[in-house]
Amino acid sequence: ETGVTQTPRHLVMGMTNKKSLKCEQHLGHNAMYWYKQSAKKPLELMFVYNFKEQTENNSVPSRFSPECPNSSHLFLHLHTLQPEDSALYLCASSPTTGDGNTEAFFGQGTRLTVV
Amino acid sequence: LAKTTQPISMDSYEGQEVNITCSHNNIATNDYITWYQQFPSQGPRFIIQGYKTKVTNEVASLFIPADRKSSTLSLPRVSLSDTAVYYCLVGDANDYKLSFGAGTTVTVRA
Repeated sequence: ETGVTQTPRHLVMGMTNKKSLKCEQHLGHNAMYWYKQSAKKPLELMFVYNFKEQTENNSVPSRFSPECPNSSHLFLHLHTLQPEDSALYLCASSPTTGDGNTEAFFGQGTRLTVV
Repeated sequence: LAKTTQPISMDSYEGQEVNITCSHNNIATNDYITWYQQFPSQGPRFIIQGYKTKVTNEVASLFIPADRKSSTLSLPRVSLSDTAVYYCLVGDANDYKLSFGAGTTVTVRA
């Protein structure tokens, strides 16, 4: 248990579906992240939010839409995905206190399969 | 974030010590060095963080030379369950982008 909770753990969706991934943390962290990890590949940083403001979008296709309503919650809205979007989606949070501590806490991930 | 370079893979046997060196020639004055461990189908897990000299916790030790241009993660007496990918990250709290490289895949054999 890392303090970062992701739901659902597994998701199978069709290419025309709309679904959302949810991430929640009550660690008091100000930064939250979405990562994508395809099979046997490195983590790809998708989006970063700091104090609810999006600060990073690594050229992610618009079929992925993040939302950060507050510092404790992060969503990833999925719409008309492609089979190649099947992957493990990981959420993380970290403090941004300026004291050098960059320890990030990750959720267990959502295993997404697009059919 | 400072760029890091680490070996792609390392093999070891149970009971041995594993040392993974990460190069970060462009490390900035305010940067810390952080190592994560990732098992298949799980999120990375923080192992250890340091700024200079040596840091030790119940899991590993981190050795950082005076010039801080590299660091070595030391895993004492590894077991099969230490088989994982290990990532080295360099940055400070203002560089919160947390970009992971390819990491080092450590395989421990019986």
